[in-house]
Amino acid sequence: SQQGEEDPQALSIQEGENATMNCSYKTSINNLQWYRQNSGRGLVHLILIRSNEREKHSGRLRVTLDTSKKSSSLLITASRAADTASYFCATDTEGGGADGLTFGKGTHLIIQP
Amino acid sequence: DTAVSQTPKYLVTQMGNDKSIKCEQNLGHDTMYWYKQDSKKFLKIMFSYNNKELIINETVPNRFSPKSPDKAHLNLHINSLELGDSAVYFCASSQEVNEQFFGPGTRLTVL
Repeated sequence: SQQGEEDPQALSIQEGENATMNCSYKTSINNLQWYRQNSGRGLVHLILIRSNEREKHSGRLRVTLDTSKKSSSLLITASRAADTASYFCATDTEGGGADGLTFGKGTHLIIQP
Repeated sequence: DTAVSQTPKYLVTQMGNDKSIKCEQNLGHDTMYWYKQDSKKFLKIMFSYNNKELIINETVPNRFSPKSPDKAHLNLHINSLELGDSAVYFCASSQEVNEQFFGPGTRLTVL
């Protein structure tokens, strides 16, 4: 079964508005990470939130984590055209050792100028 | 300086061929990974390699084999390529259980 599912699958908003993406997962985790992928490019790490943290900020990004609901959200404030990309949440499974991240299907975000 | 690099960026080959993709990281990380991203952009872990310990995703065919000549390199060898192997392959590295740094990807097309 797939760990980490984002919603919505696609989101289109006007520049300057806030964008919120959600992620749900199924197993216990060490941490949850958000990545951005521009079209045809590699993934860029945005933010990591550990299982004992509830909220984290980085610039215009705000991430929350609710381990009781096994869910996370990524908020991008004051969106810019350059934020147009696909956003993925990824979980590092508790006790998983060096077995990589489990990614969701991603949210494709389009910022309209 | 590029943190995680992969070569080649594009690879077009015929079914049945054997090919390799190289990956190098200059971050001093102790763990390296290979991921496959399919046409629907779904990313799936294939392998992770840490201190000579290889962890394999059980769904990966044994035609795929990672080789690590040293701590900074994890190359991906693929034998008897099939049409379904067409995808973008990403190498990544991390230091323990932390953020992962991804390479730019290798787009493999099998004809």
